[in-house]
Amino acid sequence: NAGVMQNPRHLVRRRGQEARLRCSPMKGHSHVYWYRQLPEEGLKFMVYLQKENIIDESGMPKERFSAEFPKEGPSILRIQQVVRGDSAAYFCASFPGLAGSYEQYFGPGTRLTVT
Amino acid sequence: AQSVTQLDSQVPVFEEAPVELRCNYSSSVSVYLFWYVQYPNQGLQLLLKYLSGSTLVESINGFEAEFNKSQTSFHLRKPSVHISDTAEYFCAVSDSGGFKTIFGAGTRLFVKA
Repeated sequence: NAGVMQNPRHLVRRRGQEARLRCSPMKGHSHVYWYRQLPEEGLKFMVYLQKENIIDESGMPKERFSAEFPKEGPSILRIQQVVRGDSAAYFCASFPGLAGSYEQYFGPGTRLTVT
Repeated sequence: AQSVTQLDSQVPVFEEAPVELRCNYSSSVSVYLFWYVQYPNQGLQLLLKYLSGSTLVESINGFEAEFNKSQTSFHLRKPSVHISDTAEYFCAVSDSGGFKTIFGAGTRLFVKA
């Protein structure tokens, strides 16, 4: 029973480049969350997606950040024109989306470093 | 709106000593409460959860938390910690649908020999 997979685990980008972070949820899970974790700042919600739908993007910066969860394939968090302040650990979590199931299952994270 | 406050950012403790990690929440509706643990360079894992029923919930590795509605708290306790409990612990609150979860800032537990 494969867990949530994220790749790459580590990503180094120069300022101005694009970063693409991938998340494959657990089998049978149709909901994905993305979080950003900065040192000493805890876990911040970014976006909540269901397949082919963005349910809640209230935590996403208005510019340069986008997310998708296509019908087939992994969820993608895309950061365009990265800046040093984007350096952080990005976690995705999957959720079955069924009534009464409240636990989120987290991937190991992608650590983005912008140089 | 829901919010979660973890009162201690770091808690150093000696091995075999008891520990309490504090968590307070605010919500205008019924809530579901969670503690997640994050070991170094890993994602978060669910430690325990309160959905309904008994206000005292336990994990398989000796942690327990008590839901206190009047004090809006969900403190995590362990009577005797091990070195391997060194990790970051996150308290979280979810709405009744379970679709929106708010995490606290985390408490770093450091167990010393």
